[in-house]
Amino acid sequence: AQSVTQPDIHITVSEGASLELRCNYSYGATPYLFWYVQSPGQGLQLLLKYFSGDTLVQGIKGFEAEFKRSQSSFNLRKPSVHWSDAAEYFCAVGRPSGGGADGLTFGKGTHLIIQP
Amino acid sequence: DGGITQSPKYLFRKEGQNVTLSCEQNLNHDAMYWYRQDPGQGLRLIYYSQIVNDFQKGDIAEGYSVSREKKESFPLTVTSAQKNPTAFYLCASRMGGLGNQPQHFGDGTRLSIL
Repeated sequence: AQSVTQPDIHITVSEGASLELRCNYSYGATPYLFWYVQSPGQGLQLLLKYFSGDTLVQGIKGFEAEFKRSQSSFNLRKPSVHWSDAAEYFCAVGRPSGGGADGLTFGKGTHLIIQP
Repeated sequence: DGGITQSPKYLFRKEGQNVTLSCEQNLNHDAMYWYRQDPGQGLRLIYYSQIVNDFQKGDIAEGYSVSREKKESFPLTVTSAQKNPTAFYLCASRMGGLGNQPQHFGDGTRLSIL
């Protein structure tokens, strides 16, 4: 079965500093990969997705992610964080059955804290 | 504006009661999903439906039931058989076809046991 690992439960970054959130997956083929962000008590908002082509993908709010097949990774980056980026971040992979349409498997999330 | 509406935002259940969580979408999406979120656990798939009148169990379907009588609606019933129902429940939808189409999420319902 596919799985998603986000090794960092919490990350603290100073405002204006760069950010990298890690995501590793296990999957037999090229997966559909997603990053979502969740503010407290809210639903999830899509930041970006990857399914083929250029391995560096751009998303909303200045985020980008790089797919590395050799490392089974899909890390999320931002060059300069803002206080409003404080939230929970989830990496997800499309389930292999149904061509990826049968729901998502999520990592456990990384809680991002921004220091002034 | 198009979107996904979950209601109510907060729900309280007494022991032994069934409760139904509502999920409505006006995005004309074919597929709909229910996830459960517990602190530190990420989201886990309960049920999903790719077309009207058809649905499939996810990873944690025991104690839950769903129906898909209309394209716009995918209600989730938490039955008394669900022994630990306290959680945040999220509904999502997506266009049909392969999994490269992302899921869009509602704002969730928080269920608590009295």
